[in-house]
Amino acid sequence: GAGVSQSPSNKVTEKGKDVELRCDPISGHTALYWYRQSLGQGLEFLIYFQGNSAPDKSGLPSDRFSAERTGGSVSTLTIQRTQQEDSAVYLCASSSTGAQEPQHFGDGTRLSIL
Amino acid sequence: SQQGEEDPQALSIQEGENATMNCSYKTSINNLQWYRQNSGRGLVHLILIRSNEREKHSGRLRVTLDTSKKSSSLLITASRAADTASYFCATDYAGNNRKLIWGLGTSLAVNP
Repeated sequence: GAGVSQSPSNKVTEKGKDVELRCDPISGHTALYWYRQSLGQGLEFLIYFQGNSAPDKSGLPSDRFSAERTGGSVSTLTIQRTQQEDSAVYLCASSSTGAQEPQHFGDGTRLSIL
Repeated sequence: SQQGEEDPQALSIQEGENATMNCSYKTSINNLQWYRQNSGRGLVHLILIRSNEREKHSGRLRVTLDTSKKSSSLLITASRAADTASYFCATDYAGNNRKLIWGLGTSLAVNP
């Protein structure tokens, strides 16, 4: 079956612009995660959605970052008024239930802020 | 703060050799997972080992878990050039089954 799909795969934008990143999780997976990965670094947790529960937003670095998950499926991560330090790869993952099950990752969106 | 810490940060070996990577963590866990990331790609799940398990195998991969030392190791036997990737451990610490805590990874280069 289809894996986790992210779009766009690459995004180049000017400082100050808003960007939207999209994630299509595996069908039926209730848990969805967003991570940020800077070059050569590990994963920085951003936000976690689990079913109909309130999302865990504890990893969002500033109020310029927000995310939503519509209908328990597709998720969008929005970064407003982008800054150069926002440049990174943004990874989305889904799992069937939560942290006790393996996470399935998309290939990420490489975001470059000029 | 990061819970898992892998070592070494980088490892370079010849094809056919074994590669061992270690992961240490700080608090009690429910499970520990190992993932591989090829350059420019997302992470791929390799093995999940639960806190009551000591060893798991999958093909050429062997994972051990020592909860008394709060550490895990990933052994890749008879390495191949295709094993070149970054390897990450992630812990699901006890009391929080909502998200994983990730290490910074080990970069493995297998030279043909």
